[in-house]
Amino acid sequence: QQPVQSPQAVILREGEDAVINCSSSKALYSVHWYRQKHGEAPVFLMILLKGGEQKGHDKISASFNEKKQQSSLYLTASQLSYSGTYFCGTEIIGYKLSFGAGTTVTVRA
Amino acid sequence: ETGVTQTPRHLVMGMTNKKSLKCEQHLGHNAMYWYKQSAKKPLELMFVYNFKEQTENNSVPSRFSPECPNSSHLFLHLHTLQPEDSALYLCASRQTPRGTPEAFFGQGTRLTVV
Repeated sequence: QQPVQSPQAVILREGEDAVINCSSSKALYSVHWYRQKHGEAPVFLMILLKGGEQKGHDKISASFNEKKQQSSLYLTASQLSYSGTYFCGTEIIGYKLSFGAGTTVTVRA
Repeated sequence: ETGVTQTPRHLVMGMTNKKSLKCEQHLGHNAMYWYKQSAKKPLELMFVYNFKEQTENNSVPSRFSPECPNSSHLFLHLHTLQPEDSALYLCASRQTPRGTPEAFFGQGTRLTVV
């Protein structure tokens, strides 16, 4: 069961903020966030385990609402280097890691 | 460099050909994955192997045949593919149990079926 991501695309100016949402219809054990730049492999950003935690990576942070099976990724004071496609990955059982459709983020000067 | 190496990086094959994609990791991970990435589509999970045993086959057509001879190597054997199979095929590895570390992805093989 693949998670649902929104929005599909975001265009920002440097310094602006954005939120990317990820939701699942099934109870989640963990949520992963990755970023993929054009022509490159997806790169891990952070993982959130059930328990409603919040994590940060520089000015990128995420939260996980276990009751709603939702996670949000927060891009704060965006930089040009934040451009790329962001994927949330969800883990329900076993070792199965499924990804959403991705959110393309474009940061302009 | 993620520690996961895929070869070849690009592959063009006819619908009647047989070819194989290779993935190699020396990170000591026990789980390996094949994903298909098409334009404007989600990363589609195809197969999961844990300790060389296949634990997931996500309703993938039989023209795709995975093989995991050991924890460091993963293959995807291809035969009689269709043009719609053209995509970027990504391999990933991670250390399970679930929920702990991240997945490391290879650079992918760009497959074109003609």
